[in-house]
Amino acid sequence: DAKTTQPNSMESNEEEPVHLPCNHSTISGTDYIHWYRQLPSQGPEYVIHGLTSNVNNRMASLAIAEDRKSSTLILHRATLRDAAVYYCILRGLSPGTYKYIFGTGTRLKGLA
Amino acid sequence: GAVVSQHPSWVICKSGTSVKIECRSLDFQATTMFWYRQFPKQSLMLMATSNEGSKATYEQGVEKDKFLINHASLTLSTLTVTSAHPEDSSFYICSVSYASGDSPLHFGNGTRLTVT
Repeated sequence: DAKTTQPNSMESNEEEPVHLPCNHSTISGTDYIHWYRQLPSQGPEYVIHGLTSNVNNRMASLAIAEDRKSSTLILHRATLRDAAVYYCILRGLSPGTYKYIFGTGTRLKGLA
Repeated sequence: GAVVSQHPSWVICKSGTSVKIECRSLDFQATTMFWYRQFPKQSLMLMATSNEGSKATYEQGVEKDKFLINHASLTLSTLTVTSAHPEDSSFYICSVSYASGDSPLHFGNGTRLTVT
């Protein structure tokens, strides 16, 4: 019952920007949008999260649509180390909604 | 540095035996921990939410008597796979967070369980 949908995979080239989309049309007003990534045989790693405004950190940028029904994770210059599965997750504030349900994620490929 | 320590990183056991996996929060007191299972080429599946000092909340379809979760302190939660069978072979991952939507989730590095 994941509340987000993402493409199964995307291709990228090294040193080029990557835009990873996520649809969350049923998002509620208090749901935060979180992004994680998972390298092979490792636990997921936090990337970024936001509520309404766009967010930037050292790893990536998060662009949130005005209606909040979609968001895009932006890797400004993809490198080999960015080859991973990227998950977009909604997390609420109230008990029962702050558990993380993972969707299928997007496998970022083509980096070599 | 690591926020969550998960041990062991891998374990091989015989069918019918029990295996305990530990998850430790290193940097803060975690009132809530989550346990996930991941099969090859698949996404993470939430098994249960572990709350300190109370019973864990299991997701639908997860047998609570088979996957025993104990969260006895604010820094330690354990998952015990009882009477393990080959179909229990999987990658088990724990995570910790503050019980707030505005706090990121920190994951352990996972435990690869192989039941022979």
